[in-house]
Amino acid sequence: GENVEQHPSTLSVQEGDSAVIKCTYSDSASNYFPWYKQELGKRPQLIIDIRSNVGEKKDQRIAVTLNKTAKHFSLHITETQPEDSAVYFCAARSPRGAGTALIFGKGTTLSVSS
Amino acid sequence: GAGVSQSPSNKVTEKGKDVELRCDPISGHTALYWYRQRLGQGLEFLIYFQGNSAPDKSGLPSDRFSAERTGESVSTLTIQRTQQEDSAVYLCASSLGGAGVDYGYTFGSGTRLTVV
Repeated sequence: GENVEQHPSTLSVQEGDSAVIKCTYSDSASNYFPWYKQELGKRPQLIIDIRSNVGEKKDQRIAVTLNKTAKHFSLHITETQPEDSAVYFCAARSPRGAGTALIFGKGTTLSVSS
Repeated sequence: GAGVSQSPSNKVTEKGKDVELRCDPISGHTALYWYRQRLGQGLEFLIYFQGNSAPDKSGLPSDRFSAERTGESVSTLTIQRTQQEDSAVYLCASSLGGAGVDYGYTFGSGTRLTVV
């Protein structure tokens, strides 16, 4: 089955800096890659996703890039703000049978200090 | 409903007791998922329901865990003979997705299970 590795496990940046979180996946058939943000004590929420037919997607200060050949994808946050502090999870899904569940990375705790 | 509803929000149980967790997905969402999140850890897949297809139970950690779903509505996750290592937040999510269709999940607030 699919396996997703996520790095780094913790990331500390100064307000205004950029943050990059990287994930690799094992199943070359995977074609959907969402990112979730989980604030302390709250539920994970989808912030951006990318499908395998595109290489990059942007939404304001957030962007995701996908390299299918290398089987890795990354989340880029520019001009970080204290409210970006949270745990970020990447995930991947491969299209098999009746569909499969997302497999998540172990998360990256991002701390943005002002 | 407007969102994914889980109950109870907190459950403290004695080791060896059975517990039942409930998830009410968003109306019209055919896919429903259960995940486990231990303190400070990632989201561990447990089970996935898609419409009337056989559920994907490949993530259930032992035969003490089981789940049911009635049609495309409520799901219950049952843990029998609870152990301390079962202590975690159990998250339910639903989505519109099925085979070949990808939609983001909407998560519930979770049930925090503590086994003492």
